[in-house]
Amino acid sequence: DVKVTQSSRYLVKRTGEKVFLECVQDMDHENMFWYRQDPGLGLRLIYFSYDVKMKEKGDIPEGYSVSREKKERFSLILESASTNQTSMYLCASGTSGILYEQYFGPGTRLTVT
Amino acid sequence: SQQGEEDPQALSIQEGENATMNCSYKTSINNLQWYRQNSGRGLVHLILIRSNEREKHSGRLRVTLDTSKKSSSLLITASRAADTASYFCATVGGAYNTDKLIFGTGTRLQVFP
Repeated sequence: DVKVTQSSRYLVKRTGEKVFLECVQDMDHENMFWYRQDPGLGLRLIYFSYDVKMKEKGDIPEGYSVSREKKERFSLILESASTNQTSMYLCASGTSGILYEQYFGPGTRLTVT
Repeated sequence: SQQGEEDPQALSIQEGENATMNCSYKTSINNLQWYRQNSGRGLVHLILIRSNEREKHSGRLRVTLDTSKKSSSLLITASRAADTASYFCATVGGAYNTDKLIFGTGTRLQVFP
């Protein structure tokens, strides 16, 4: 079974802190994704990566950065956390090609106070 | 940006009844996928239908796709309390990079025992 793990299920940080969210997948997938999920807005893509050291902006990249030093690991960084970044963060991985599905981690509920 | 919109936003039914959820999207697609999310958890892939297919079945799930109307429906037959979850449609391809999934806002399904 594909497994996508995220470093924390719940996280509370203060405004202005630098926050790291880690995601690891064990299926050798090329593609990895970070989403945030907010009530009424569904899932919105923050960043994605097709390969090691490669990254592409999604729909809402402002205030975030990412790092992919190894194929299995994709990190989301909040450079200076703000209260409007309080959200559920979901990581996913998937293979390339048009006929593919994404495998999601359990999510990290981040609260910024 | 949101591609799909699910309808209804929320649905409550009794065990044993059928549940139908609809998804509309805006641009041409390569395929459409349905995902389920249990409360506070990650998403799980349910079924994928290609743009040249009109109907697909998987267990108690039946998905239809009408590309002329840019819409899809998910039918869950003989529902169970364990089907209680949010259901999202997601599209691949068309005007978007084929490796990105664009999610709708979801339908919350409540199945009462």
